[in-house]
Amino acid sequence: YVVTQPPSVSVAPGQTATITCAGHNIADKTVHWYQQKPGRAPVLVIYDDSDRPSGIPDRFSGSYGVTAATLTVSRAEAGDEADYYCQVWDFDHHHVIFGGGTKLTVL
Amino acid sequence: QLVESGGGLVQPGGSLRLSCESSGFTFSDYAMNWVRQAPGKGLEWIAYIGGKTINYADSVKGRFTVSRDNAKKSMSLQMNSLDAGDTAVYFCTRAANSLAYCGGDCYTQFDIWGQGTPVNVSS
Repeated sequence: YVVTQPPSVSVAPGQTATITCAGHNIADKTVHWYQQKPGRAPVLVIYDDSDRPSGIPDRFSGSYGVTAATLTVSRAEAGDEADYYCQVWDFDHHHVIFGGGTKLTVL
Repeated sequence: QLVESGGGLVQPGGSLRLSCESSGFTFSDYAMNWVRQAPGKGLEWIAYIGGKTINYADSVKGRFTVSRDNAKKSMSLQMNSLDAGDTAVYFCTRAANSLAYCGGDCYTQFDIWGQGTPVNVSS
């Protein structure tokens, strides 16, 4: 199973960024999202498609459609600049699949 | 909290053993994973160890062995037959939700990550 993300997304400060995660029948899977800043470990920002862990600002939200899941970063801030990865489980093989990552630039 | 150790420089064909020490939660209650990240690249899952099941990515199957010692609250990754493609930062991660809640194995999100330990396979 393969999930595909755009390599990069740019957004102006205060505006809304959307990052997609596309895969075959992805609506049948549960998608999780991680934020990774340079030199740091990833941090979970969205789980189970649209839930936020405690401590994650409500500017981060998740949703899904038939062909892609989406991470939305509203009112983008300079501190949101990071790589974002989607993750699903391939239950046919009991493997974890990560998307290739999307570099979010706030400019 | 999770803290990895054991990374370093190793020659191609060599072996290395990574450790992941846990604190602040009941280690035996949770499934654990190893994820790696090659320089400048994305995240790659490589191993899962739960209550009943162990799974490996195809890229490491047969060369890497994951194990856990619940009494020591730790997990290990034995890596054999290393090559340049194994050069990466290796992270240990906890799968969210307890094994009891999941029914023995937890295929969920990763809610706690260690800081990572670098492995460099080079001659």
